Amino acid sequence: GQQLNQSPQSMFIQEGEDVSMNCTSSSIFNTWLWYKQDPGEGPVLLIALYKAGELTSNGRLTAQFGITRKDSFLNISASIPSDVGIYFCAGQWTGTASKLTFGTGTRLQVTL
Amino acid sequence: DVKVTQSSRYLVKRTGEKVFLECVQDMDHENMFWYRQDPGLGLRLIYFSYDVKMKEKGDIPEGYSVSREKKERFSLILESASTNQTSMYLCASRLDEGGDGNTIYFGEGSWLTVV
Repeated sequence: GQQLNQSPQSMFIQEGEDVSMNCTSSSIFNTWLWYKQDPGEGPVLLIALYKAGELTSNGRLTAQFGITRKDSFLNISASIPSDVGIYFCAGQWTGTASKLTFGTGTRLQVTL
Repeated sequence: DVKVTQSSRYLVKRTGEKVFLECVQDMDHENMFWYRQDPGLGLRLIYFSYDVKMKEKGDIPEGYSVSREKKERFSLILESASTNQTSMYLCASRLDEGGDGNTIYFGEGSWLTVV
């Protein structure tokens, strides 16, 4: 099945730095979801976006639903060691089969 | 909080065995899903269910079947397990389509090894 383009694929950052990752699609979505997955665990929902242009925060995390409906980004401010993990975006368009399309994932590693 | 519970976290089964993976959600969600996750291949949809007794094939249904007799429970069945079905299996649920009902919640995952 289709996967969304997510970048960067991986990143090493220093504790305290800000992080930015994004997801792009060739298709329009009306929902964007961002998940974090720790090794051996299931994805945990971080932020859900339902409207083009919407900007939503969850603690140190901020995500935006792109105006074109074809992209979204996630920012993490002041990263800490527990931010380590894989971050996935997912897009969905209600009215088709309503299946999620997932991004390829961004592996975040934090150095102290 | 939404809770999606997968009963078995780690299983080891022999080739040819019948395997049941159980998933229960406690939020009266209409839709439930089974995915498998493999390195380099991402999350792939096996089957999903819109409602009780209703199922639809996903992207990789071969070798799998599902059962949804009750709204809260969605079972994945491997009729005759094979080594290429060694993977992490993720169950998920969603209230329904539309607005914040579009949000999908995942269980913790079931690691299946077929030997």
